[in-house]
Amino acid sequence: QVTLKESGPVLVKPTETLTLTCTVSGFSLSDKRLGVSWIRQAPGAALQWLAHIFSNDDKSYNPSLRGRLTISKDTSKSQVVLTMTNMDPVDTATYFCARAEQWMMEYYGMDVWGQGTTVTVSS
Amino acid sequence: EIVLTQSPGTLSLSPGESATLSCRASQIIVSNYFAWYQQKPGQAPRLLIYGASSRATGIPDRFSGSGSGTDFTLTITRLEPEDFAVYYCQQYGRSLWTFGQGTKVEIK
Repeated sequence: QVTLKESGPVLVKPTETLTLTCTVSGFSLSDKRLGVSWIRQAPGAALQWLAHIFSNDDKSYNPSLRGRLTISKDTSKSQVVLTMTNMDPVDTATYFCARAEQWMMEYYGMDVWGQGTTVTVSS
Repeated sequence: EIVLTQSPGTLSLSPGESATLSCRASQIIVSNYFAWYQQKPGQAPRLLIYGASSRATGIPDRFSGSGSGTDFTLTITRLEPEDFAVYYCQQYGRSLWTFGQGTKVEIK
């Protein structure tokens, strides 16, 4: 069974750095067809893609947040970590990680999602 | 960056009716890289359609996707009570992903 589970602080202060961990099971982060994205959703708002890490360790970031985001993975621990610097109250949201499958010229979507973790930014 | 614009914002329908949701891209999208998701309150999104028209595993055939270029459509025939939710389109291109702003399908 494929699962992803997010973990991290519930509350962070403005200007602090947020570190979130996505622990996956049922698949390997070295599988060439698979990568992991982070997506967030502010209360009552739409989904916003944040960052993605590919099986070959290539990384991609939302241009609007580039500079604040760093994504990395530890294949041996089956974990993907997202850090976001200089947190602001507008970053209050539920943060999801999701598995994305792509191979050659095909993209099979984000087929498995974690339950999400809610982060509030407040002093 | 490709912007996805979904319409309408809200669709009010009765169970048994059909729903047609639209997603328009600011640039031409490769159809292979287009997907639809369903999200219910308090839940993570669920993949419905990938490659613009292929149903994900376990998705009923009342859900269908179509479109190419800049215009894509999700059609839900014979709405079931569990289909009332928010639907998002998504595109992937040049190692970047974007989502539309969502269409809420609500019970009339």
